[in-house]
Amino acid sequence: GESVGLHLPTLSVQEGDNSIINCAYSNSASDYFIWYKQESGKGPQFIIDIRSNMDKRQGQRVTVLLNKTVKHLSLQIAATQPGDSAVYFCAENKNTGNQFYFGTGTSLTVIP
Amino acid sequence: GAVVSQHPSWVICKSGTSVKIECRSLDFQATTMFWYRQFPKQSLMLMATSNEGSKATYEQGVEKDKFLINHASLTLSTLTVTSAHPEDSSFYICSARDIRQGARGYTFGSGTRLTVV
Repeated sequence: GESVGLHLPTLSVQEGDNSIINCAYSNSASDYFIWYKQESGKGPQFIIDIRSNMDKRQGQRVTVLLNKTVKHLSLQIAATQPGDSAVYFCAENKNTGNQFYFGTGTSLTVIP
Repeated sequence: GAVVSQHPSWVICKSGTSVKIECRSLDFQATTMFWYRQFPKQSLMLMATSNEGSKATYEQGVEKDKFLINHASLTLSTLTVTSAHPEDSSFYICSARDIRQGARGYTFGSGTRLTVV
């Protein structure tokens, strides 16, 4: 399944399928991005990061793709599991300090 | 790994009163901490950057006299919501950076659910 964070804030996928969560960021000068997972009532948890000098980075079951031309990030989750159900946010560092600014977010629901 | 603790995890207060929320870095020192606010089904909005030993830097549109931030030590920042009103009810989350972990060292607390009645 695939979502566009700003227009489709919810995404439902079958367990075992791959998920793609998209994020449009705002500042072309941003040089560092992080994907976070937030479960209900908790703070965000780091998933994976990527610097602007890269266009792809892989972790365990997750891959982040960065397209600087269109200011777009995506998070791919392979073999989605029920424990992946959460809200996912991209956050950008605008290269003006240590602050991170969060995107809209996408709520992922995994159907067993 | 770096751990950030927030206290309380939830609080209910009467309109007009003030509430203090604590953010502690448990196993590292943090010269900089960040305060966010999150309304239901919305994203995290950065409110301010808390700097140890100096004044906080507030984001545009955030009232510094309403949201008082104190970062008196390298392991503690506090956010005080003054004269709270129902519209201040929200989920407040802090984060701190463990510089030993480089750019990945931003860790979030578990958040504080504030309800103003």
